[in-house]
Amino acid sequence: DAGVIQSPRHEVTEMGQEVTLRCKPISGHNSLFWYRQTMMRGLELLIYFNNNVPIDDSGMPEDRFSAKMPNASFSTLKIQPSEPRDSAVYFCASRKIMGLAGDTDTQYFGPGTRLTVL
Amino acid sequence: SQQGEEDPQALSIQEGENATMNCSYKTSINNLQWYRQNSGRGLVHLILIRSNEREKHSGRLRVTLDTSKKSSSLLITASRAADTASYFCVQGGKLIFGQGTELSVKP
Repeated sequence: DAGVIQSPRHEVTEMGQEVTLRCKPISGHNSLFWYRQTMMRGLELLIYFNNNVPIDDSGMPEDRFSAKMPNASFSTLKIQPSEPRDSAVYFCASRKIMGLAGDTDTQYFGPGTRLTVL
Repeated sequence: SQQGEEDPQALSIQEGENATMNCSYKTSINNLQWYRQNSGRGLVHLILIRSNEREKHSGRLRVTLDTSKKSSSLLITASRAADTASYFCVQGGKLIFGQGTELSVKP
């Protein structure tokens, strides 16, 4: 299995530009998570999906951030317009929900996208 | 909050020594998981311990869980330079991460 795939691995953009980050979860997984990691704030959960449906987006910082999961094998995180404070490493993770609660299941992380907004 | 809090924040040891990291949490759990993150990389799952377990082993890793104290510990025995990484404990289905323990193993 190729694992969770994220693209691009690095993105440098200018303030005000739109940024789209992409994630392909592990085949067969039905839950997907987007995280952001910075030195100041650590690893923050932004949003997660179960069966392509957004379950909790309370971690999304503001309206400039949006995430979609049009099918089980693809998700995007979009920032429009981007700002320098959005600079971070963005991780996507997936898991297969096994139990009813789903909280015994391991997450598998992608390599991350390092975003720099100038 | 479902966030785990690791202690110490940073730990520096010599290769061959054992490393112990602690984790405290606030709410009841079904399980607690430990992850490792090498610099600039994604997180890797190390071990999961369920609430009805007290101790679990995986290779050089030993995890304990004390639900009465809401705490867990991760022991890495005979550490190697390659164990240098940040270690996170995580509880709950949403896996809310703390700041982690940054372990440095010097050769």
